[in-house]
Amino acid sequence: QSVLTQPPSASGTPGQRVSFSCSGSSSNIGSKTVSWYQQLPGAAPKLLIYGNNQRPSGVPDRFSGSKSGTSASLAISGLQSEDEAEYFCAAWDDGLNGPVFGGGTKLTVL
Amino acid sequence: QVQLVQSGAEVKKPGASMKVSCKASGYTFSRYGITWVRQAPGQGLEWMGWISTNSESTNYAQKFQDRVTMTADTSTTTAYMELRNLRSDDTAVYYCARKGFGSSSQFDPWGQGTLVSVSS
Repeated sequence: QSVLTQPPSASGTPGQRVSFSCSGSSSNIGSKTVSWYQQLPGAAPKLLIYGNNQRPSGVPDRFSGSKSGTSASLAISGLQSEDEAEYFCAAWDDGLNGPVFGGGTKLTVL
Repeated sequence: QVQLVQSGAEVKKPGASMKVSCKASGYTFSRYGITWVRQAPGQGLEWMGWISTNSESTNYAQKFQDRVTMTADTSTTTAYMELRNLRSDDTAVYYCARKGFGSSSQFDPWGQGTLVSVSS
């Protein structure tokens, strides 16, 4: 059972905009910044968003993050087939004194 | 470029120990911590702990507190994670990642992962 809650699956068609939610509590998302990771099949996770809405260099601006209260969202616009992957949210948790992850949302591009 | 390269896959028997290495390059090793995360087959990401590479202070997840030891060798820019008394449910891919500053969930980059299989 993951500390952060994500929907297990999502889907979209090429060119569409999709978004995923990530729900936490006051001890994690409510007080700390959120990161998002993309994990392609068989690969290691890759940092996609940090500091709620910052993109590392090399990450296309099709990916955007936001946070409100104890929830966060990742949006992908102009969906492409190569976006088919699992997406994890993460935030530091003051109660656990460590980061916590969501269970992941598996994105299917139809 | 900034890179973390991990040691190869291992097969272990229940009760044995494992030790995974994580060789860093492309940045000043002692400026960033190293965190360890594992992923059981078909499951999500589970944080195990992290080590400060300049002070060697550690912070372990409570679940692993009595079985894990994380170390770092600044002379070889390599971090290590040892897990003892292995059980079948320790079968997972183990990842190291460079940790951001402070109470951060920003881990970048990640190593390629090390598959550890525990079976009798």
